[in-house]
Amino acid sequence: GDSVTQMEGPVTLSEEAFLTINCTYTATGYPSLFWYVQYPGEGLQLLLKATKADDKGSNKGFEATYRKETTSFHLEKGSVQVSDSAVYFCASNFGNEKLTFGTGTRLTIIP
Amino acid sequence: DTGVSQNPRHKITKRGQNVTFRCDPISEHNRLYWYRQTLGQGPEFLTYFQNEAQLEKSRLLSDRFSAERPKGSFSTLEIQRTEQGDSAMYLCASSLSQGRNTEAFFGQGTRLTVV
Repeated sequence: GDSVTQMEGPVTLSEEAFLTINCTYTATGYPSLFWYVQYPGEGLQLLLKATKADDKGSNKGFEATYRKETTSFHLEKGSVQVSDSAVYFCASNFGNEKLTFGTGTRLTIIP
Repeated sequence: DTGVSQNPRHKITKRGQNVTFRCDPISEHNRLYWYRQTLGQGPEFLTYFQNEAQLEKSRLLSDRFSAERPKGSFSTLEIQRTEQGDSAMYLCASSLSQGRNTEAFFGQGTRLTVV
């Protein structure tokens, strides 16, 4: 069936380091892809999205490109900050508007 | 609008008791979703409504679970005869249906602990 596989954590980085969190999907069609973030004590928030191949979603310095050839949507940020510490979820919408989530990656940034 | 609101935020109940959670979506949103999240996992889809109609239920939703959205506004999720395995975070989300561009907005969740 359709699914999302996400890089397992936790991930610990120093401030200003480069971040990559891997996400791949399996699907019979072409889903819309999302990254959600959950800050401590808060609900899930949409970070960025892409709805078709080669689209790049971006927000708050984070970017992810929809790669049809590798079925991937990896999250990247060039220079992370302590305030980026959170749990990040990759998700897909396979056309029926309900989301399928990965298992989440806990990111901790140390000063 | 203050976003999606869920009540209560925390619920501790004894095994075998019934519990009910409430979700108030963003007012103009026609779709409302329930998800369940267990520790170390991503949210898993349970069910969703378009207006007052329940359009899909996951196989995860046993017959002890029932959800309603009586007037197409707020929704309730009831769990009857709770079991320890029901302990989880229950998340509600709402959206304005836009196909592939649909953005779901999540509440902060209700954490259920069954003892």
